[in-house]
Amino acid sequence: DAGITQSPRHKVTETGTPVTLRCHQTENHRYMYWYRQDPGHGLRLIHYSYGVKDTDKGEVSDGYSVSRSKTEDFLLTLESATSSQTSVYFCAISGGLAGGPKGQETQYFGPGTRLLVL
Amino acid sequence: QKEVEQNSGPLSVPEGAIASLNCTYSDRVSQSFFWYRQYSGKSPELIMSIYSNGDKEDGRFTAQLNKASQYVSLLIRDSQPSDSATYLCAVRSSGNQFYFGTGTSLTVIP
Repeated sequence: DAGITQSPRHKVTETGTPVTLRCHQTENHRYMYWYRQDPGHGLRLIHYSYGVKDTDKGEVSDGYSVSRSKTEDFLLTLESATSSQTSVYFCAISGGLAGGPKGQETQYFGPGTRLLVL
Repeated sequence: QKEVEQNSGPLSVPEGAIASLNCTYSDRVSQSFFWYRQYSGKSPELIMSIYSNGDKEDGRFTAQLNKASQYVSLLIRDSQPSDSATYLCAVRSSGNQFYFGTGTSLTVIP
């Protein structure tokens, strides 16, 4: 593994509750991403970050927010969880060192978080 | 909308055969292309990257890229049962965003 951890690894929650997923990297990479993976849809980008406090939306960002206050941590928050947000969530990192030249190339994934919203 | 298309399969090959996986992409400015392997219940694992036209070989894996046709493929020689997994094609576009196909399920039959 590329030094990426996610917590929690499994979570069951109820509709309407807020949920925060954490991604932590030890690689000092500039770019961090949150994806969700659902059958028939593949990996879809929710949000990504290109530096501390620099984030942008992906293709399925509605209902999600993110924060990155430190290079190593990228948080994903479901503001009010819905059953449609039941999914497997993957964090990924890519690129060069934070603060260095523009990141590029390979993307590595964390182990994933299985979220069930009842 | 940047698209990456793969045949979903399932693709079944006998042990020892060559498995051929294909992918097309819509964004002509894409410069980097990747193949990931994902076992059931696990996260995607990078197995190949390719950046220029032609073939790139790494052990039993060969990636092929044709930018004019917007086509990238993965060949797995001497397929083993342990190669049974879903293979994801990914394209890195501008802004360091990655786009993924829905994956091809491969089964290698002993």
